[in-house]
Amino acid sequence: DSGVTQTPKHLITATGQRVTLRCSPRSGDLSVYWYQQSLDQGLQFLIQYYNGEERAKGNILERFSAQQFPDLHSELNLSSLELGDSALYFCASSGYIGYTFGSGTRLTVV
Amino acid sequence: AQSVTQPDIHITVSEGASLELRCNYSYGATPYLFWYVQSPGQGLQLLLKYFSGDTLVQGIKGFEAEFKRSQSSFNLRKPSVHWSDAAEYFCAVGENSGGSNYKLTFGKGTLLTVNP
Repeated sequence: DSGVTQTPKHLITATGQRVTLRCSPRSGDLSVYWYQQSLDQGLQFLIQYYNGEERAKGNILERFSAQQFPDLHSELNLSSLELGDSALYFCASSGYIGYTFGSGTRLTVV
Repeated sequence: AQSVTQPDIHITVSEGASLELRCNYSYGATPYLFWYVQSPGQGLQLLLKYFSGDTLVQGIKGFEAEFKRSQSSFNLRKPSVHWSDAAEYFCAVGENSGGSNYKLTFGKGTLLTVNP
């Protein structure tokens, strides 16, 4: 157990729908990162939050958004889903101990 | 912008043979460098990392990597491969955004197959 918790582990949904992925960082970590792993694009950085504020943005689509709440958990919202959004979505957190990944949420869009 | 190149998409080695996985990076400043391993359907496990200091870094599972600034490389090595090492290996460079915060740019990965 890495200490970073992602839910759900698997998600199957239809095109055009909206889903929310949740991440709880390791205790004490203030930063949360989201990454997407797909066959086409490989592992890509999407977005980072630090203590509730957006810190860095990567190749995140406008249909996607994220936020970090006061208790430091984060949610990644994916809307108007397309087949190409099917991927493994990882969350990571960082702090004094280091950088740790969660086990991911596998999203399948049908 | 930073980038990472892993020239070998797929490598096959025999169990007990030595292994070297190549990684080249492009980054303007002193890089933070990482190697991760991913087994099928699993998450990412950190093998080792380089921030500064000794350019030969020891990691878990008997892996080591050497940072060579002149060659912009951070190759991963293991003297004797075990069947359980079969997995996909990712090299990454970290762009520091203050303190322990950094976003990672990954290579495309190298798939390792181990023959008995």
